[in-house]
Amino acid sequence: NAGVMQNPRHLVRRRGQEARLRCSPMKGHSHVYWYRQLPEEGLKFMVYLQKENIIDESGMPKERFSAEFPKEGPSILRIQQVVRGDSAAYFCASSPLGETQYFGPGTRLLVL
Amino acid sequence: TQLLEQSPQFLSIQEGENLTVYCNSSSVFSSLQWYRQEPGEGPVLLVTVVTGGEVKKLKRLTFQFGDARKDSSLHITAAQPGDTGLYLCAAPNQAGTALIFGKGTTLSVSS
Repeated sequence: NAGVMQNPRHLVRRRGQEARLRCSPMKGHSHVYWYRQLPEEGLKFMVYLQKENIIDESGMPKERFSAEFPKEGPSILRIQQVVRGDSAAYFCASSPLGETQYFGPGTRLLVL
Repeated sequence: TQLLEQSPQFLSIQEGENLTVYCNSSSVFSSLQWYRQEPGEGPVLLVTVVTGGEVKKLKRLTFQFGDARKDSSLHITAAQPGDTGLYLCAAPNQAGTALIFGKGTTLSVSS
């Protein structure tokens, strides 16, 4: 049973470009969470999704950030018009019924 | 606002020493989890504690949940270089829709 998969593992973007981060949850898991980790800070919750539904997006910046978890395919975290402050490690976690969360290896985004 | 405070922030010890790291809050939590994260990787779940006063052991690691379910500790006996990493505590938010994380304790064990 493969764990949570994220790709790409590393992503470099120039200011103003778009970043798309993908997350495939563990088999049988229908709940996906996205977190952001900045240096010297803990992981911060961004958004919680179930298939085709956003349940809680209270941690998402109001602009430029969006997330989806379609019926088929991975969950996508999309950052439009990236700025240097978006540079961080982005982690996806999944759970079967909203309980224990299992984390992926993360995507390290660097904005030049 | 629910916050988890971890201490110490950094800990550097020699192989074979014992250590304890702490996770404290003014809030009561339904459960608390400890994760370990290595550089370049995601957090890996070590344990979930649910009952106040609960003690769980995982080989040389002992986890305790405070009686009031506001704090927790992680004790490592005879630390090894392989224990090196960032130890994070986390708890569900009030809505149960996300985990709140402490900033972590960075442990370095040298041989």
